[in-house]
Amino acid sequence: AQKVTQAQTEISVVEKEDVTLDCVYETRDTTYYLFWYKQPPSGELVFLIRRNSFDEQNEISGRYSWNFQKSTSSFNFTITASQVVDSAVYFCALSEGGTGFQKLVFGTGTRLLVSP
Amino acid sequence: DVKVTQSSRYLVKRTGEKVFLECVQDMDHENMFWYRQDPGLGLRLIYFSYDVKMKEKGDIPEGYSVSREKKERFSLILESASTNQTSMYLCASSFPADNEQFFGPGTRLTVL
Repeated sequence: AQKVTQAQTEISVVEKEDVTLDCVYETRDTTYYLFWYKQPPSGELVFLIRRNSFDEQNEISGRYSWNFQKSTSSFNFTITASQVVDSAVYFCALSEGGTGFQKLVFGTGTRLLVSP
Repeated sequence: DVKVTQSSRYLVKRTGEKVFLECVQDMDHENMFWYRQDPGLGLRLIYFSYDVKMKEKGDIPEGYSVSREKKERFSLILESASTNQTSMYLCASSFPADNEQFFGPGTRLTVL
């Protein structure tokens, strides 16, 4: 069965600190996708990244970077030089591959508080 | 831009009332989803639909039903609202061959 674990319930940092949000997943499939979504106080989930199981290359997008390691079943998310606008709840999610409908399984989320 | 809209941001209902939550998407997506979000539990799938008039149960369908009469609209129905259905409800949509889901702003429902 699919499972996503985000062990960090809440993280508080001061602006400009780097912060890493952990995500550990479980799946029996060899083909799967991993996602990160951001949920700001407004409530709408915003897509950040999708990674398929065959692409272990790390990704960097501005201050955001993602580290995908199949050996440890982890897909961690790092924010460099955090800003107050990064304050949000971040969700990691897993979707098993295949055609047609793919269900997303979400972790419980990590609330990030960035103070000035 | 993909747009998923939900009929209300906040809703207050009384126990036993019939409640309709509406979701509309403008990207011609075949797949639509309803989730509820609760603290410490993340998002849990209630129902989904992969085509007009088609629906499938998710992980927590009890106490809910859905309706999809048109491709762009997916309704979540609480036949007889109960206090344990107080939650944030999120709608999402996607293309069938693409598992990236686009989310609406959510409806925070309080059942008194």
